Amino acid sequence: GEDVEQSLFLSVREGDSSVINCTYTDSSSTYLYWYKQEPGAGLQLLTYIFSNMDMKQDQRLTVLLNKKDKHLSLRIADTQTGDSAIYFCAELNQAGTALIFGKGTTLSVSS
Amino acid sequence: DTAVSQTPKYLVTQMGNDKSIKCEQNLGHDTMYWYKQDSKKFLKIMFSYNNKELIINETVPNRFSPKSPDKAHLNLHINSLELGDSAVYFCASSQDHGGTNNEQFFGPGTRLTVL
Repeated sequence: GEDVEQSLFLSVREGDSSVINCTYTDSSSTYLYWYKQEPGAGLQLLTYIFSNMDMKQDQRLTVLLNKKDKHLSLRIADTQTGDSAIYFCAELNQAGTALIFGKGTTLSVSS
Repeated sequence: DTAVSQTPKYLVTQMGNDKSIKCEQNLGHDTMYWYKQDSKKFLKIMFSYNNKELIINETVPNRFSPKSPDKAHLNLHINSLELGDSAVYFCASSQDHGGTNNEQFFGPGTRLTVL
């Protein structure tokens, strides 16, 4: 079945780059997403990438997609304390009707 | 203006009670969803509605019944609440489903605590 895996924790220092990794199982996924959840808040869409792209850049965020290895990563440049949150990787299910989420990576940024 | 809103934000209730959570979106979207986030932050789809019709009903106990009175609303009614129902419930909406993009907008969540 469809499954999305992420490492659970990442700790970085302010100013460093953060790289959050994700693997997925459904090779037919058309869209892959990164969502951010701050403590006590809902989910905010950060960025998404279409499966025919290898890379997408949006200000401090860079998404890399390796379709052969079914690997997705999110790089945050110049990480700030305000980036501390849980980051969810998600793929669109085969029917295109719902998102399949990973378990989330908790990013902790220390000053 | 809030795009996707949910009420209440917090809900504390006793086991065995029946409760409802309401969701409204003002984005003009056709598709709405309910997700459950458990204590370990794991998010899982429960239901999906498109134009008031049920599209997805994942393996959810039939104590949970979604109701969509119109395209802008998707309410979640839960009968005979159990301890294991304690979680954060998120409503979301998207322009369509199965289309070229399923960008979903999430509500702030409802934290349900069953005592």
